[in-house]
Amino acid sequence: QKEVEQNSGPLSVPEGAIASLNCTYSDRVSQSFFWYRQYSGKSPELIMSIYSNGDKEDGRFTAQLNKASQYVSLLIRDSQPSDSATYLCAVPNSGYALNFGKGTSLLVTP
Amino acid sequence: DAGVTQSPTHLIKTRGQQVTLRCSPKSGHDTVSWYQQALGQGPQFIFQYYEEEERQRGNFPDRFSGHQFPNYSSELNVNALLLGDSALYLCASSLPGLAEMDTQYFGPGTRLTVL
Repeated sequence: QKEVEQNSGPLSVPEGAIASLNCTYSDRVSQSFFWYRQYSGKSPELIMSIYSNGDKEDGRFTAQLNKASQYVSLLIRDSQPSDSATYLCAVPNSGYALNFGKGTSLLVTP
Repeated sequence: DAGVTQSPTHLIKTRGQQVTLRCSPKSGHDTVSWYQQALGQGPQFIFQYYEEEERQRGNFPDRFSGHQFPNYSSELNVNALLLGDSALYLCASSLPGLAEMDTQYFGPGTRLTVL
């Protein structure tokens, strides 16, 4: 069974700080990686996708990928209370299905 | 540009009943995937439909079945409902292209409660 592992948290950071969310995966051949944000009671919303080793930045969000270490992370700069949500890491499984981690709960305190 | 839509929003059923959930993909998308999300868990892949055929299936029993129509919309059917089927059911659509590169966009979900 191909696994996607995330620390369930909760991760608590003060407003304005950097939040760092981590994800490890077991399938060495995975080529694409996705971060979704899910507010309580809502559906997942795509934040970032990353396909190549290194960093990818989009506004306050930066995804970092290290395929050799099978590790992908999401950094949120200048965290805001509205960033409080569960962040899901997803990796394609056998081509079509997305295999999700259980998610990390982030709480940004004012 | 309409996103992924799902109906109904909420549904309450009793054990043993059957349920049908519906999904319309994002404009221009032809692939529909269904996921089940239990409370506190990540979404679990049920199956994916492409060109009106089930292309891939996750580890779900045959009680879970689906269909895709020529307009790319899709239905998820669950027979003989169990208490454990209570969950948020998510539909996701994606663009055609390289399989692993396809980004999946989720609809608002259907909350199913089985009593």
